[in-house]
Amino acid sequence: DTAVSQTPKYLVTQMGNDKSIKCEQNLGHDTMYWYKQDSKKFLKIMFSYNNKELIINETVPNRFSPKSPDKAHLNLHINSLELGDSAVYFCASSQDGAGSYEQYFGPGTRLTVT
Amino acid sequence: SQKIEQNSEALNIQEGKTATLTCNYTNYSPAYLQWYRQDPGRGPVFLLLIRENEKEKRKERLKVTFDTTLKQSLFHITASQPADSATYLCALREGGGKLIFGQGTELSVKP
Repeated sequence: DTAVSQTPKYLVTQMGNDKSIKCEQNLGHDTMYWYKQDSKKFLKIMFSYNNKELIINETVPNRFSPKSPDKAHLNLHINSLELGDSAVYFCASSQDGAGSYEQYFGPGTRLTVT
Repeated sequence: SQKIEQNSEALNIQEGKTATLTCNYTNYSPAYLQWYRQDPGRGPVFLLLIRENEKEKRKERLKVTFDTTLKQSLFHITASQPADSATYLCALREGGGKLIFGQGTELSVKP
């Protein structure tokens, strides 16, 4: 069984478009995250939700909007895509948001903006 | 804010040898430090977590040490195998519970 799944795996789109990435976890975890990994492989936290409530919101353009319909799902919607948004986006989950538990990552979504 | 430094250069070792990877941080000692493995095209996979009051943690061929005086963690893989080749990421807990990741060290184990 896949613990953390993301769709789509690849996303190629043009500048100015709006796109969404979906994430689901079947681990029963309370906390979910979105990370961005750039071409230099730095993995940076973008958002964190704990039981559908936003708890971490890093300095991310407001074109990025996370949505958590329930604690097993965390989607990422991106408006007006820019070239600099090209990266791999990872969803993750953990038992809680205190950092004392390991995080389980999804397979990633490679976003390419042309 | 916390900064994490890992060896940016790839580490190349011979099969059977012990690989040692370094993670240095700059500010306060975190309550928890974690190590992850990332293979190309995949998400990071958790390996070990060590708490600030623990000097050492082991799991099979893996060992992690945590020296709050030196502000450093060492990650060891003993009897390394080609299958251990991957990028290894160090992560520290910062305020608010978020994890800050290092840029990772690429390990290549040659047969």
